[in-house]
Amino acid sequence: GQNIDQPTEMTATEGAIVQINCTYQTSGFNGLFWYQQHAGEAPTFLSYNVLDGLEEKGRFSSFLSRSKGYSYLLLKELQMKDSASYLCAVMDSNYQLIWGAGTKLIIKP
Amino acid sequence: IAGITQAPTSQILAAGRRMTLRCTQDMRHNAMYWYRQDLGLGLRLIHYSNTAGTTGKGEVPDGYSVSRANTDDFPLTLASAVPSQTSVYFCASSDGTNNEQFFGPGTRLTVL
Repeated sequence: GQNIDQPTEMTATEGAIVQINCTYQTSGFNGLFWYQQHAGEAPTFLSYNVLDGLEEKGRFSSFLSRSKGYSYLLLKELQMKDSASYLCAVMDSNYQLIWGAGTKLIIKP
Repeated sequence: IAGITQAPTSQILAAGRRMTLRCTQDMRHNAMYWYRQDLGLGLRLIHYSNTAGTTGKGEVPDGYSVSRANTDDFPLTLASAVPSQTSVYFCASSDGTNNEQFFGPGTRLTVL
């Protein structure tokens, strides 16, 4: 079957760095997405990786290793507004997104 | 309209009733999707449409139907609602099947 695993919840301190991991087993691979979802709101796109390596976008970076079925999202200089759920999703061979359950990130002052 | 809109925002429905959730986008995206989101589970795809006039089944299609008469609209119908269909429903669209998806604000549906 297809499976996306990510931690249920993480806690970090304002101003610090946090890494959210995602491992996946899917039928085929056409890219990995990270989305941010604030409570009660819709998911919004953060990043897309299809090749191995690190993609940096401001305070957020995303890494992919296809051979290991592994990705992480790195958030630097954490701000209180970064408190949200972070969703990892893999596009399978049918170009359908398979979603993880999300990681709830709690930022403490 | 800017982006994707969904209606209603929330609804309480008696079991056995028929309900249509509406979704409209103004980005001229070819692909549209319906997901449900339940606590502790990832988003699950119900139905999708790669282009106007075509639809396909996702991971959890039973009890739901869709139509795609034009590019902008993608309604989701529950023919006879059951309590297990209580969920938050998100509509999304993308410009191409392997591009980022843009989400509507969601419909919170409670079936009693």
